[in-house]
Amino acid sequence: AQSVTQLDSQVPVFEEAPVELRCNYSSSVSVYLFWYVQYPNQGLQLLLKYLSGSTLVKGINGFEAEFNKSQTSFHLRKPSVHISDTAEYFCAVSPYNQGGKLIFGQGTELSVKP
Amino acid sequence: DAGVIQSPRHEVTEMGQEVTLRCKPISGHNSLFWYRQTMMRGLELLIYFNNNVPIDDSGMPEDRFSAKMPNASFSTLKIQPSEPRDSAVYFCASSPVAMEAGVNRYEQYFGPGTRLTVT
Repeated sequence: AQSVTQLDSQVPVFEEAPVELRCNYSSSVSVYLFWYVQYPNQGLQLLLKYLSGSTLVKGINGFEAEFNKSQTSFHLRKPSVHISDTAEYFCAVSPYNQGGKLIFGQGTELSVKP
Repeated sequence: DAGVIQSPRHEVTEMGQEVTLRCKPISGHNSLFWYRQTMMRGLELLIYFNNNVPIDDSGMPEDRFSAKMPNASFSTLKIQPSEPRDSAVYFCASSPVAMEAGVNRYEQYFGPGTRLTVT
């Protein structure tokens, strides 16, 4: 079985400040890792993914994440946030060879203030 | 491409009524997923299909829920009878499940969701 824990339910931050959203996972099998973003009243949009290779993954909108296998973490970072980054962010895992199903964390609400 | 299309976008119904949610996946995608989002439980996978065949329905809450995919371009999620605790946003997502260099490079594309309110 797999589980995903997002350690912060809400993260308030000022515009142009750096931000890190934390994600830890538990799995008995190898997994792929994803971050999705959800803007108000919209569906989820893929930010970035880790499938294999370099553990530092770059995504859209200036976000990046680092896969740490020993710590089973996949934290999301951005060096300088904008008001438009205000949204809910979801970390997810997808077990190998299980058809691509996603198991999501509870989400982190990022609130960027001017 | 129009993306994943869901209808209706909003549905308000009374307890005991039948509700049918619809999804049109992106053309060429061969996997389809239904999720439910609530404040209490977050995002939960209900069921997913591969090549129109249900693969895993272990997330379907109970027998009141059923899902079908009669062809590659259409899926339904039905609740009969509906209850207030079914109130949630229901998302449909599709995936191309493309193989590249021996690695599954699948990623899911989500529809805008259907907000269901059962009174």
